[in-house]
Amino acid sequence: AQTVTQSQPEMSVQEAETVTLSCTYDTSESDYYLFWYKQPPSRQMILVIRQEAYKQQNATENRFSVNFQKAAKSFSLKISDSQLGDAAMYFCAYRSGGMEGAQKLVFGQGTRLTINP
Amino acid sequence: DADVTQTPRNRITKTGKRIMLECSQTKGHDRMYWYRQDPGLGLRLIYYSFDVKDINKGEISDGYSVSRQAQAKFSLSLESAIPNQTALYFCATSDLGSGEGNEQFFGPGTRLTVL
Repeated sequence: AQTVTQSQPEMSVQEAETVTLSCTYDTSESDYYLFWYKQPPSRQMILVIRQEAYKQQNATENRFSVNFQKAAKSFSLKISDSQLGDAAMYFCAYRSGGMEGAQKLVFGQGTRLTINP
Repeated sequence: DADVTQTPRNRITKTGKRIMLECSQTKGHDRMYWYRQDPGLGLRLIYYSFDVKDINKGEISDGYSVSRQAQAKFSLSLESAIPNQTALYFCATSDLGSGEGNEQFFGPGTRLTVL
């Protein structure tokens, strides 16, 4: 079974600085997807960024980027120019690939990010 | 209007009571999921359904049951609630048939407290 580990329960960063959240995963599959979700105090789960395992290029979405190291099974999230609105719980998630896959998501434990003004 | 809705948003109940959490979606997706979120554990899959006739157990299905009444509706029941079922519950949907096939869309969550 696949597992996802986020070893940083809490992180904090000064506003406008850069922060990196860590995620490692364990799988024997070669085809899969990785995601970062943001959960603000509203509880809503918001997709921040996704990475297809077959793509070597790291995904980016505005101030959010990932460092995907497939051999090391590492998938970190970098937030540049941190803003107060980035304060949230962040979850790393794994999904098996393949069109017939169950599309079940396996989540990490979460990292609570605090932005200091 | 939200694409994935959950009712109720918050619920307090007592040990032994039967409770149903409801999920509705207007996205036209075939696949629906129920997850449970606990502090320090992230989200864990309870049940999932590929279509109206297909129900599958997830990682932590004991103590729960589900019903897929229609493509758009997927309910989660606790037959006899116990305090360790106190958690935040999420419904999610996905669809292989569209360009959104890689993404799951989540409802707003239901905060359940069992006293």
